[in-house]
Amino acid sequence: QVQLVESGGGVVQPGRSLRLSCAASGFTFSSYDMYWVRQAPGKGLEWMSVIWYDGSNKFYADSVKGRFTISRDNSENTLYLQMNSLRVEDTAVYYCARLRTGTTFYFDNWGQGTLVTVSS
Amino acid sequence: QSALTQPASVSGSPGQSIIISCTGTSSDVGGYDYVSWYQQHPGKAPKLMIYDVSNRPSGVSNRFSGSKSGNTASLTISGLQAEDEADYYCSSYTSSSTPVFGGGTKVTVL
Repeated sequence: QVQLVESGGGVVQPGRSLRLSCAASGFTFSSYDMYWVRQAPGKGLEWMSVIWYDGSNKFYADSVKGRFTISRDNSENTLYLQMNSLRVEDTAVYYCARLRTGTTFYFDNWGQGTLVTVSS
Repeated sequence: QSALTQPASVSGSPGQSIIISCTGTSSDVGGYDYVSWYQQHPGKAPKLMIYDVSNRPSGVSNRFSGSKSGNTASLTISGLQAEDEADYYCSSYTSSSTPVFGGGTKVTVL
């Protein structure tokens, strides 16, 4: 079955960096666009970044553009999010999610999330 | 892209039906039949409940149904059960080719 397992979260000081990983299994990872979606404590869902199935295109929400970098290793079935210049407002649970697209558009599988806390 | 508008909370008694609305614009909800709904229990990941406005994934109870009229989509939960108590988020494809989420609705079973 499809599994997405995030890791790499933790407590970090403002201005520092962190790299999240999302290990995928149970499906052909290289065939799917992948998203990072975050959820601040007590708040709603907010998409952060997307990378196309082959890594050819990447897009970012304005709130993280220039600070976060999404990447993937299709040979290792792993999605990454490099987060630099972290701010207190980046504190959130970060989920990786598989996108179903084509003649549709929805997230059919989500990881369990990894908590990032930015605090001095 | 502004978040889609959902009521903060909706409640109902067991067995009743409730409706959660999700209002956007012609650039998202009104422009595409790509509205999806997610259920999230506390401390858990979101779970897909409805996609493409009204389609249910395999394994999701037929007590959940979706619809859309103009710029507003709706999720109906029929025969409300205690296990339905959770947060619900709508999402839509947008003219920017990215998703937008609603602010979330807390469903309480009285």
